[in-house]
Amino acid sequence: KNEVEQSPQNLTAQEGEFITINCSYSVGISALHWLQQHPGGGIVSLFMLSSGKKKHGRLIATINIQEKHSSLHITASHPRDSAVYICAAITGNQFYFGTGTSLTVIP
Amino acid sequence: GAGVSQSPSNKVTEKGKDVELRCDPISGHTALYWYRQSLGQGLEFLIYFQGNSAPDKSGLPSDRFSAERTGGSVSTLTIQRTQQEDSAVYLCASSSDRDEKLFFGSGTQLSVL
Repeated sequence: KNEVEQSPQNLTAQEGEFITINCSYSVGISALHWLQQHPGGGIVSLFMLSSGKKKHGRLIATINIQEKHSSLHITASHPRDSAVYICAAITGNQFYFGTGTSLTVIP
Repeated sequence: GAGVSQSPSNKVTEKGKDVELRCDPISGHTALYWYRQSLGQGLEFLIYFQGNSAPDKSGLPSDRFSAERTGGSVSTLTIQRTQQEDSAVYLCASSSDRDEKLFFGSGTQLSVL
């Protein structure tokens, strides 16, 4: 069993749709990261969460510590949002990565 | 520097040779992380430095892998007696402190022939 589970694995959306990606973890964490990996391979950190909710532009990330669950939402999705989204849970001195959600937004 | 710098960007080596990968973190960042991503696979955590110290080396895949960080800045990841399964993109990231936003380098593509 993976310490971090993401769903869905693949997601295709029409431009403008509201998107939700889910991340559940089984370990106690000090923080959780949401990362975006572009088709060219570069990785960008979107959010670092330890509690509550964060918003940046069209992106919103939430975390529920009690339920060990985090969500990444994209409002008014755009083709440039097409990428792989990865959650990573940090516990102690270890990172545990989800397998990623591949998002394709169609114009 | 402006961002996390990794060198070389590409490395092709023969099986059994040693390789050294370098990471220059953002100036002032105390936390430094090494990861790898095999072709078509997810990210795998290797090791974390806080300052010059790596509290937990259990993420390193085998004793052929070692890492060090000096002066709280540059880090090197050394792979001895490389094997074909070591072929991957090796990524470095830094943050101002543990549990802060990560800044990633563009990686070193290692190919072991």
